Amino acid sequence: QQQVKQSPQSLIVQKGGISIINCAYENTAFDYFPWYQQFPGKGPALLIAIRPDVSEKKEGRFTISFNKSAKQFSLHIMDSQPGDSATYFCAASSQETSGSRLTFGEGTQLTVNP
Amino acid sequence: SQTIHQWPATLVQPVGSPLSLECTVEGTSNPNLYWYRQAAGRGLQLLFYSVGIGQISSEVPQNLSASRPQDRQFILSSKKLLLSDSGFYLCAWSYGWNEQFFGPGTRLTVL
Repeated sequence: QQQVKQSPQSLIVQKGGISIINCAYENTAFDYFPWYQQFPGKGPALLIAIRPDVSEKKEGRFTISFNKSAKQFSLHIMDSQPGDSATYFCAASSQETSGSRLTFGEGTQLTVNP
Repeated sequence: SQTIHQWPATLVQPVGSPLSLECTVEGTSNPNLYWYRQAAGRGLQLLFYSVGIGQISSEVPQNLSASRPQDRQFILSSKKLLLSDSGFYLCAWSYGWNEQFFGPGTRLTVL
């Protein structure tokens, strides 16, 4: 019940295209859903996050869509650029969980071709 | 602003040797602290977390231990390294709930 399932495992997109990464969860107590971006050899960096009181959050070219009834959320990268090539992780946590522990998806390796 | 440091950046150790990785956070007080391990091409596995000095919770049984001797210092240790301990070790902090910020990581290779 603590799992967050992420797909696809890898994604190749042409420059200017839309990258879409999906995540699904089971634990209905989850109330915080961040996305992290990780470049090779670096620590993950918080990209964007959403709480279940809204269905969509946009920051620049990055948008999170959230479907509470389906227990799914997704990251959309508009006008994808080669510099977006990285591994993306979705995650989820609950304020009921001591220590603010995040449950991570397995990651999606995004390649944006020039 | 807050900053998180990890050292060393890379480490190559023989099997059976001890380990000590250090993480420090600047610019905040009483943060939650976390140790993760990431195997090559894989996701993040939470190893330990701490909500205060001397308070350590372990997520998985393993060959590692953690300590928090000071408010903004988190140490990952092992008495005898195994080959399976190789990986990318990440420290993270959060203030309050949810948002976690990661350090630059330590690449550990056990030979």
